[in-house]
Amino acid sequence: EAGVAQSPRYKIIEKRQSVAFWCNPISGHATLYWYQQILGQGPKLLIQFQNNGVVDDSQLPKDRFSAERLKGVDSTLKIQPAKLEDSAVYLCASSSGLAGEETQYFGPGTRLLVL
Amino acid sequence: GEDVEQSLFLSVREGDSSVINCTYTDSSSTYLYWYKQEPGAGLQLLTYIFSNMDMKQDQRLTVLLNKKDKHLSLRIADTQTGDSAIYFCAEASPRGYNKLIFGAGTRLAVHP
Repeated sequence: EAGVAQSPRYKIIEKRQSVAFWCNPISGHATLYWYQQILGQGPKLLIQFQNNGVVDDSQLPKDRFSAERLKGVDSTLKIQPAKLEDSAVYLCASSSGLAGEETQYFGPGTRLLVL
Repeated sequence: GEDVEQSLFLSVREGDSSVINCTYTDSSSTYLYWYKQEPGAGLQLLTYIFSNMDMKQDQRLTVLLNKKDKHLSLRIADTQTGDSAIYFCAEASPRGYNKLIFGAGTRLAVHP
């Protein structure tokens, strides 16, 4: 079974530029998560989707970050404009969404460096 | 608050047992997880435990849960150099649609 796929793996941009990350969850998984992991810290949830609807985006800086999951499968996370403090690893995870099967499986992440 | 706490660093000799400790915050958390992160990689699920259990064993891994103290530990038996990584403890918050709240990670260094 294929795992969670993410691209690109690495991205370097200058501050005030825009950037987008893509995630394809495990086939059949209804729930998709985006986490931000700053160097030396644990991941922190940015947004959670159930199918194509947003369940939790309380920690998403909505003035610059946006995310969508239009067809309830893959998802895109965008930052516009980027700031230096957005340098981090952006991790996508998915879970089946079924009760009793809440385990989240993570992709390899996208490493963003903002200069 | 939402602070899961872990010690930051652990060094062990190859072949010894490693014990990584974690304190979580929400007594109503239903699942508690251990993830492993190697350099440049994503998070690999190691094991998890339901809150109604106090121990779970999976090959070289043993998880102990003390709900009264909100303390979780991961024991790795016969630690190998390939176990060198950062280990994250996480609780699934039922108040947060099952979002995971992570500790800052414990860096395990295994030396010969």
